[in-house]
Amino acid sequence: NAGVTQTPKFQVLKTGQSMTLQCAQDMNHNSMYWYRQDPGMGLRLIYYSASEGTTDKGEVPNGYNVSRLNKREFSLRLESAAPSQTSVYFCASSDIINSPLHFGNGTRLTVT
Amino acid sequence: DAKTTQPNSMESNEEEPVHLPCNHSTISGTDYIHWYRQLPSQGPEYVIHGLTSNVNNRMASLAIAEDRKSSTLILHRATLRDAAVYYCILRDPGTASKLTFGTGTRLQVTL
Repeated sequence: NAGVTQTPKFQVLKTGQSMTLQCAQDMNHNSMYWYRQDPGMGLRLIYYSASEGTTDKGEVPNGYNVSRLNKREFSLRLESAAPSQTSVYFCASSDIINSPLHFGNGTRLTVT
Repeated sequence: DAKTTQPNSMESNEEEPVHLPCNHSTISGTDYIHWYRQLPSQGPEYVIHGLTSNVNNRMASLAIAEDRKSSTLILHRATLRDAAVYYCILRDPGTASKLTFGTGTRLQVTL
């Protein structure tokens, strides 16, 4: 059972380039989340999707867009990457709003 | 949003119990208390959660104060594999966005 799978694991971008981080879960969870974690910091919520077809902003949504493609997949897009977006990005899913979150192993993104 | 306060770091000897405190004086009546941990180079991992009563599972125990303004995660016998950052989080079941992690407590376990 794979759980939450994120791709790619590592990525280096130049300022202004765009890319999409992919996330898929195989647990039939309703809710999915994107977090970023800067060095020595806790996680900050970027966007979340409470259920298929809905998305909402979290604490730090500026510079990002998301798509809940179907129940399994939730992607995060950076349209014009900036050095301030250098971070580790984690995707998570949960069954219902108050159930535990299951996290992927992260995507380490560097923007030069 | 209700916030939590945790010590930045704690140390423990292997095989000894560890008590990790968390203060959440502005907790609301519907907030659940969740604990996660993050091992180096991995995503956070769920540990335990509760509302009012103390909770036990195979990983840990959660002791919640009667007024719910604080809680303690108890690892009964720390091992080297328990070295991680532990996050205490308040979760409002009414909205998914209220899941603020903070900086957590870095637990060091020594032989």
